[in-house]
Amino acid sequence: EVQLLESGGGLVQPGGSLRLSCAASGFTFNNYVMSWVRQTPGRGLEWVSVISPSGDSTYYAASVRGRLTISRDNTKNTLYLQVNSLRAEDTAVYYCARRCRSDWFYFDYWGQGTLVTVSS
Amino acid sequence: QTVVTQEPSFSVSPGGTVTLTCGLTSGSVSTGYYPSWYQQTPGQAPRTLIYSTNIRSSGVPDRFSGSILANKAALTITGAQADDESDYYCLLYMGDGIYVFGTGTKVTVL
Repeated sequence: EVQLLESGGGLVQPGGSLRLSCAASGFTFNNYVMSWVRQTPGRGLEWVSVISPSGDSTYYAASVRGRLTISRDNTKNTLYLQVNSLRAEDTAVYYCARRCRSDWFYFDYWGQGTLVTVSS
Repeated sequence: QTVVTQEPSFSVSPGGTVTLTCGLTSGSVSTGYYPSWYQQTPGQAPRTLIYSTNIRSSGVPDRFSGSILANKAALTITGAQADDESDYYCLLYMGDGIYVFGTGTKVTVL
């Protein structure tokens, strides 16, 4: 059974940093593109970033480029998101998602999310 | 910046049919954007419904169908049920590793 379990969220002050983790199980992690998606309270989904199976290629939404860094450790089956210079508008539930293996460009499995709250 | 638009809300009667759309502020949506659709209830993670325009994800009832209509991606619910009351999001692949979610549609069944 595919499972994605996010962790690392919490309350952080503006300007602070966090590293989110997503532990994957139930599939061959290093065969899949992985992604982060966030959802601000009461609002819609926002795609944030994606990383290739090897980790060599990364892509970001324009709104977060330069402040967020996606990475992965295939030896630990874990996806990461480093979030720096946090702002109030970064307050959101952060989901990790697995992209389908085929070139159909959709996300087939989702974690339950971890909440990041940016507040002084 | 690319904006993917969806109707803010729809209301449908039980057993009725509703079609949600997913468009671009500039340009047309085609199969080349690989439109996919996700259902989300409050406090839950999204659930994948449709991918590559019209392919139902495993376990999704056949009352959900996807298509391209009038230059937009569309999700049709035929024979709506009470537990279809959710938020629905489309996702487009813009190329070069970039994805964009639509603004979301809240569907009420009453």
